Amino acid sequence: NAGVTQTPKFRVLKTGQSMTLLCAQDMNHEYMYWYRQDPGMGLRLIHYSVGEGTTAKGEVPDGYNVSRLKKQNFLLGLESAAPSQTSVYFCASSSAGTYQETQYFGPGTRLLVL
Amino acid sequence: GESVGLHLPTLSVQEGDNSIINCAYSNSASDYFIWYKQESGKGPQFIIDIRSNMDKRQGQRVTVLLNKTVKHLSLQIAATQPGDSAVYFCADYSGGGADGLTFGKGTHLIIQP
Repeated sequence: NAGVTQTPKFRVLKTGQSMTLLCAQDMNHEYMYWYRQDPGMGLRLIHYSVGEGTTAKGEVPDGYNVSRLKKQNFLLGLESAAPSQTSVYFCASSSAGTYQETQYFGPGTRLLVL
Repeated sequence: GESVGLHLPTLSVQEGDNSIINCAYSNSASDYFIWYKQESGKGPQFIIDIRSNMDKRQGQRVTVLLNKTVKHLSLQIAATQPGDSAVYFCADYSGGGADGLTFGKGTHLIIQP
């Protein structure tokens, strides 16, 4: 049982390039989340999903897209990366909504946009 | 979560002493609160949670206190150990809008030998 895994662990992009971050969970969780964490800051919610095939916007969704084609995977896409998207990205999952169940976090993906 | 300056507050305690980490939240509609621990290079790890119908909740070596009147949350760690060194975040959930947590900016707990 690996829990929540994220790939890649680290990536460097040039401004304007695109990439996809992959989050996978093996706990059969319905809910999945993408957060970003900037230096000296708490995490901020980008997008989330309450089940396969669904997505919704969080606090800071601009510049990102997401897809949840399979229950166990939640993809975060950057179509045209900007230096402001340099951050550490964390994925989380839970078996129910935030009020009902704990969110379990992955180890993070560190992204540097030059 | 708490709105503070860019520099992480730091709490330095002696090994074996008790630690108290504080957090102020701003949304009076928040009804669920969680403390997370984040070690360097890792994702946040759940420590303890509390709902708004409670004032206190205890776990193993940890206690969370909630004061809704002044919108304040604290995490007490008993007999602090070197492995407790980490950044601690409080997070809250209000139930409105996005189904996600609002995180404070964290407190860096340093354990002195």
